[in-house]
Amino acid sequence: GENVEQHPSTLSVQEGDSAVIKCTYSDSASNYFPWYKQELGKRPQLIIDIRSNVGEKKDQRIAVTLNKTAKHFSLHITETQPEDSAVYFCAAGGGSYIPTFGRGTSLIVHP
Amino acid sequence: DAGVIQSPRHEVTEMGQEVTLRCKPISGHNSLFWYRQTMMRGLELLIYFNNNVPIDDSGMPEDRFSAKMPNASFSTLKIQPSEPRDSAVYFCASSLGQYNQPQHFGDGTRLSIL
Repeated sequence: GENVEQHPSTLSVQEGDSAVIKCTYSDSASNYFPWYKQELGKRPQLIIDIRSNVGEKKDQRIAVTLNKTAKHFSLHITETQPEDSAVYFCAAGGGSYIPTFGRGTSLIVHP
Repeated sequence: DAGVIQSPRHEVTEMGQEVTLRCKPISGHNSLFWYRQTMMRGLELLIYFNNNVPIDDSGMPEDRFSAKMPNASFSTLKIQPSEPRDSAVYFCASSLGQYNQPQHFGDGTRLSIL
């Protein structure tokens, strides 16, 4: 099956800085890469996803990049705000597997 | 759309008791997933269904856990007998397809086994 590694496990930034979270996957057949945000005590919610026919996707302050050759994808958050503080999960799936989740990154944005 | 609905939101019970968690997926979604989340183990997939049929239950910890999906609008996860190590937040999620569609999570059931 698919194996997803996510780094770092914890990321601390100052408000206004950028944050980058990186994930690698093992199955070259994976073609769907969603990112979820989970605020404390809440459910995971999809914030952005990318498919393998696209190298980059942006939505306001967040962007995701995909490198199929290296089998890694990243989440970029610019101009971070305190409300961006949460746990972020990447996932990789498609092909013949349901999305497999990474272990999560706890992002802390200091005011 | 009401989203994925889980009940109860909180459950506190003594070890040895039977626990039943319930989930109503989003109407029209044909895939349903049960996850368990703990600090130690993160978000673990327990089982998932496609078109009401269990596809992969390899994540179910042991025979004390069972899940059913009798129709497209309802699923249950049952633990019998429950143990303190089963304490966790249990999420149900649904999606339009099993492989490459976003999963929509319910608000979860916070389970505490005393």
